[in-house]
Amino acid sequence: AQTVTQSQPEMSVQEAETVTLSCTYDTSESNYYLFWYKQPPSRQMILVIRQEAYKQQNATENRFSVNFQKAAKSFSLKISDSQLGDTAMYFCAFMKPFGQNFVFGPGTRLSVLP
Amino acid sequence: DAGITQSPRYKITETGRQVTLMCHQTWSHSYMFWYRQDLGHGLRLIYYSAAADITDKGEVPDGYVVSRSKTENFPLTLESATRSQTSVYFCASSEPGSSQPQHFGDGTRLSIL
Repeated sequence: AQTVTQSQPEMSVQEAETVTLSCTYDTSESNYYLFWYKQPPSRQMILVIRQEAYKQQNATENRFSVNFQKAAKSFSLKISDSQLGDTAMYFCAFMKPFGQNFVFGPGTRLSVLP
Repeated sequence: DAGITQSPRYKITETGRQVTLMCHQTWSHSYMFWYRQDLGHGLRLIYYSAAADITDKGEVPDGYVVSRSKTENFPLTLESATRSQTSVYFCASSEPGSSQPQHFGDGTRLSIL
């Protein structure tokens, strides 16, 4: 069974700074998909970014980018120019191809400080 | 508006009572999911459904029942609620396919006294 680990329960960053959230996973699959979701205090689950394991290029969405290290089974999220609205829980998720089911990590609570 | 709607948003009930959480989506997505969110565990899958009348267990199915008679609805029932089922419950949906993300409802906070 796949497992997803987020080793940082809480983090903080100053506004406009850069922060990196870590995620590691365990799988025997060669192809799979990885996601980062953001959960602000409103409780919504918002997709931030996704990465296909067969793609070597790291995904980027505006201020959000990932560092995908397949051999190390690592999928970290970098947030550049942090904004107060980035304050949220961040969840890393793993999906097998055609499996549809996600396996989520325990989350990292990020606080952006003014 | 298109989307996924959960009701109620908050619910308080007592142990032993039956409670049903509703989930409705307007996208006609094939897949629907129920998760519970607990501190330190992230989201854990309770049940999922690949299509109408097709459901399957997830990681933590004990004490829960689901049905899916229509594509757009996927209710979750706690037949005899226990305090350990106090949690935030999320419904999600997705299209089948390799990298399709799941789209989530706003969650139901359920407290069992």
